[in-house]
Amino acid sequence: NFMLTQPHSVSESPGKTVTISCTASGGNIASNYVQWYQLRPGSVPTTVIFEDDQRPSGVPDRFSGSIDSSSNSASLVITGLRTEDEADYYCQSFHSSDLVFGGGTKLTVL
Amino acid sequence: QVQLVQSGAEVKKPGASVKVSCKASGYSFTSYYIHWLRRAPGQGLECMGIINPTGGTTTYAPKFQGRVTLTRDKSTSTVYMELNSLRSDDTALYYCAREGQHAGTGTTYYGMDVWGQGTTVTVSS
Repeated sequence: NFMLTQPHSVSESPGKTVTISCTASGGNIASNYVQWYQLRPGSVPTTVIFEDDQRPSGVPDRFSGSIDSSSNSASLVITGLRTEDEADYYCQSFHSSDLVFGGGTKLTVL
Repeated sequence: QVQLVQSGAEVKKPGASVKVSCKASGYSFTSYYIHWLRRAPGQGLECMGIINPTGGTTTYAPKFQGRVTLTRDKSTSTVYMELNSLRSDDTALYYCAREGQHAGTGTTYYGMDVWGQGTTVTVSS
């Protein structure tokens, strides 16, 4: 079974940089694209990264994504943290005809 | 701009059905598949199914097969999700989301690009 594992929570101070990992098991992370979604209470969910490292228009360049085949993982990096970045972040990929989501990471900016 | 606007919050009793709508605007409705997902309190995102607005063909997640029905109305660019035999553990935020496509080729990258705002469904006696 292909699975994506994320840390349950991360926290960092405003202005700092945070990295959220998404580790694949049961398959190769590089076989299909990885997306990252931001879910904030009371807001429309936002796709912040698609196709591993592409940023949709309107998403600040403080958000970046990457894939590391050696560790079979994807990463979302947010620089210059702002309080409005506080949200749940989900990685997502595709395997055997199914969308697969990580369990989500709660980012606290304090 | 591209938008998916969902219907408002619902409160239902166990055993009842709920039908949530998702109205698309700002793009060609039949050019993009629509997913339905949900997030229960304290849980992660869960896929329910997908619909092709062109022909109305659907694929449902095994967990929801037999209990969920996705339909669409091309005249109003609206997709509907109906969930039957509601239980308390169906209490969740329900989302529609458009399947993303590679720029230029129009092929899917098997992810979502635009989301609806979410619809809260509460199941309680």
